[in-house]
Amino acid sequence: EVQLVESGGGLVKPGGSLRLSCVASGFTFNTYTINWVRQTPGKGLEWVSSITSSSGYIYYADSVKGRFTISRDNAKNSLYLQMDNLRAEDTAVYYCARKTISARHFDYWGQGTLVTVSS
Amino acid sequence: QTVVTQEPSFSVSPGGTVTLTCALSSGSVSSSYYPSWYQQSPGQAPRTLIYSTNTRSSGVPDRFSGSILGDKAVLIITGAQAEDESSYYCLLYVGSGLWVFGGGTKLTVL
Repeated sequence: EVQLVESGGGLVKPGGSLRLSCVASGFTFNTYTINWVRQTPGKGLEWVSSITSSSGYIYYADSVKGRFTISRDNAKNSLYLQMDNLRAEDTAVYYCARKTISARHFDYWGQGTLVTVSS
Repeated sequence: QTVVTQEPSFSVSPGGTVTLTCALSSGSVSSSYYPSWYQQSPGQAPRTLIYSTNTRSSGVPDRFSGSILGDKAVLIITGAQAEDESSYYCLLYVGSGLWVFGGGTKLTVL
């Protein structure tokens, strides 16, 4: 069974940092592109970042470029999101989501981890 | 900046048909954007319904279908059921590794 489990969320002050993790199981992690997607409380989904299977290509939404860093450790089946210089508007549930190999969509999602940026 | 627009809310009667749309701020949505659709209930992670415009994900009832109508991607629910009351999001691949979600449609079945 494919599983993605996020962790690392919490309360952080504006300007602070946080590192999210996503541990994958049930599939060959090192062959898939994985994404971070966030959802502001009560609002819609926003794609945040993407990293290809061997970390060869990395992409960011404009809203987080220069502040967030995505990375992965294929030996640990793990994805990370280092979030620096956090703002109130970064408050959201952060999901990791797997992109299919053969098509362009996200087929499996984790349950999310809540990040709250507040003083 | 690419903006993807969906109806904020929609209402359908049980057994009725509803068409939800996904539009681009500039230009037309085509299959080249690989439109996909996700259903999300409160407190739950999104669930994939449709991908590559019109392919149903495994286990999705056939009352859900997708297509391109005019310049928009659409999700059609034929014979809506009470359990279809959820939020629905479209996702477009806009190229160069970038993705954009629509703002979502909250569907009420009553």
